[in-house]
Amino acid sequence: AQKITQTQPGMFVQEKEAVTLDCTYDTSDPSYGLFWYKQPSSGEMIFLIYQGSYDQQNATEGRYSLNFQKARKSANLVISASQLGDSAMYFCAIGSRDYKLSFGAGTTVTVRA
Amino acid sequence: GAGVSQTPSNKVTEKGKYVELRCDPISGHTALYWYRQSLGQGPEFLIYFQGTGAADDSGLPNDRFFAVRPEGSVSTLKIQRTERGDSAVYLCASSKGGNQPQHFGDGTRLSIL
Repeated sequence: AQKITQTQPGMFVQEKEAVTLDCTYDTSDPSYGLFWYKQPSSGEMIFLIYQGSYDQQNATEGRYSLNFQKARKSANLVISASQLGDSAMYFCAIGSRDYKLSFGAGTTVTVRA
Repeated sequence: GAGVSQTPSNKVTEKGKYVELRCDPISGHTALYWYRQSLGQGPEFLIYFQGTGAADDSGLPNDRFFAVRPEGSVSTLKIQRTERGDSAVYLCASSKGGNQPQHFGDGTRLSIL
C-alpha cells in the first residue's frame, strides 16, 4: 500500500516570491515515481513534474522544482517567482510498478498581488 | 484537440438511474485510468486498462460500477442503480504506460438527486 501525506491545507504567498509545498510518502515498493499536479478552480488536473525513485538529480520544470529527500521520504514542490495564475490546489501523488496513482489531500495555494 | 476528452462535462440524474461516462484518451496512449474525486479530496483510483483489458479494477467500489474499453481507445464507465453517494467528479487519465505521467481530462461532474 502507498500513502501520501500533505499536511498544509492552505498557504498564502506574495506574488514573485517562492513557496514550498510539503509532501511525505510511504511505500514498500523499491521503485516508484512521485508526481505533482495542479488543479485550478476550473477543475482540470494539470501535470507539473515527475521524480523517479532512482533519479540522482532533483527534477526541475521551469519554475517548478522537486526537492526529493529519499531517506526522509519527502518530495516537496518548490514554486519560484509565484504568479497570480499559480493560485490553485496542488496534489502530490505516488505511483509504482502497479501504475495507479495514490494522491494526497492537496494544498490550496493563494497568490496575493 | 490533443488532450483527454470526457463527456458529458456534467450529468444530473435521479437516484436509481443508469449512467454512462465516456473518455477519449490521447492518441497513442495505451494506458487508461478512471479516478473519482469527492469534494475537497484528492482523486481515488477506480480502474486501469492496458489496451482493451482491465488490468486492475480493485478500486471499483461495488458491482454497480463497470467499465469497458472494447477497442483499446475510448472507454466508458457505467454505473447502475445510482445512489446519492455516487455524486462526485469522475476523472479519466491516459498515459504511455508504466510510470509515464498520466494526463487527465476535465472530468464529468455527476450529481445524483
